[in-house]
Amino acid sequence: NAGVTQTPKFRILKIGQSMTLQCTQDMNHNYMYWYRQDPGMGLKLIYYSVGAGITDKGEVPNGYNVSRSTTEDFPLRLELAAPSQTSVYFCASSQTGQGNNQPQHFGDGTRLSIL
Amino acid sequence: AQSVAQPEDQVNVAEGNPLTVKCTYSVSGNPYLFWYVQYPNRGLQFLLKYITGDNLVKGSYGFEAEFNKSQTSFHLKKPSALVSDSALYFCAVRDWGTDKLIFGTGTRLQVFP
Repeated sequence: NAGVTQTPKFRILKIGQSMTLQCTQDMNHNYMYWYRQDPGMGLKLIYYSVGAGITDKGEVPNGYNVSRSTTEDFPLRLELAAPSQTSVYFCASSQTGQGNNQPQHFGDGTRLSIL
Repeated sequence: AQSVAQPEDQVNVAEGNPLTVKCTYSVSGNPYLFWYVQYPNRGLQFLLKYITGDNLVKGSYGFEAEFNKSQTSFHLKKPSALVSDSALYFCAVRDWGTDKLIFGTGTRLQVFP
C-alpha cells in the first residue's frame, strides 16, 4: 500500500547545481501537485497536473519545472539551485481536482538544503 | 480573495483534557473547508472536511470540527486529547477563483502527559 512515494528523502545541493525530485503514485490518480513547506508559512503550490501531458503553474513556480509523461510520475526539476529554494517539498495526488473536494494524499517529503 | 487563518502557532493541552485548534476563513462563496494533520517527518494526512450539511463534522482519530457560518470559523476539536495527537495541524479552504486549496500556516499541538 505505497500511496505517494518521494525520493530522495534528504539532499544537500550547492548553489547553481541542478537536481530532480522524484514523485510516483500507485493509486491511478489523475491530479498531482508539488508544494513547498517553509517554517511558519504553510504550504505553497509550485506546480500541478490534471493528467498525463498536462501541467500548470501554481503560486510559486519560479525556478522550477515539471513534466508528466505518465499518470504515475510527476518529477520536479530545479535547474539552478538557489538558497531561497531550501525547503521541504511535498508531492500529493488526488482522484479529482481540489475543487471537487477530494482529499489529497501526500508523500513524506524531500528535505532540500542549498548551501 | 479567499483566505484561511490559524491564529495560534501552538496549543498546549494536558492528556485527557478537551482540545480546540482554531481556524477562521474568508470566502466569497460557499466555504469548502478541510483539516489535515502532519506528524514529524511525514506528509499531511486528511482528517475531515466540511462541504455542506451538519455543522458538526466527524473525522479520523476521534477528531471533529464545528462549522460556524456567522463567526466564519471551522475549529477542530477532540473531547479527550492523547499524547499521540501531538502534531502540526493545517486548516485549508477551497479558493473558488483558482479551484485550489489554500492552506493556513499551521498550529502545533502539544499534548502533555
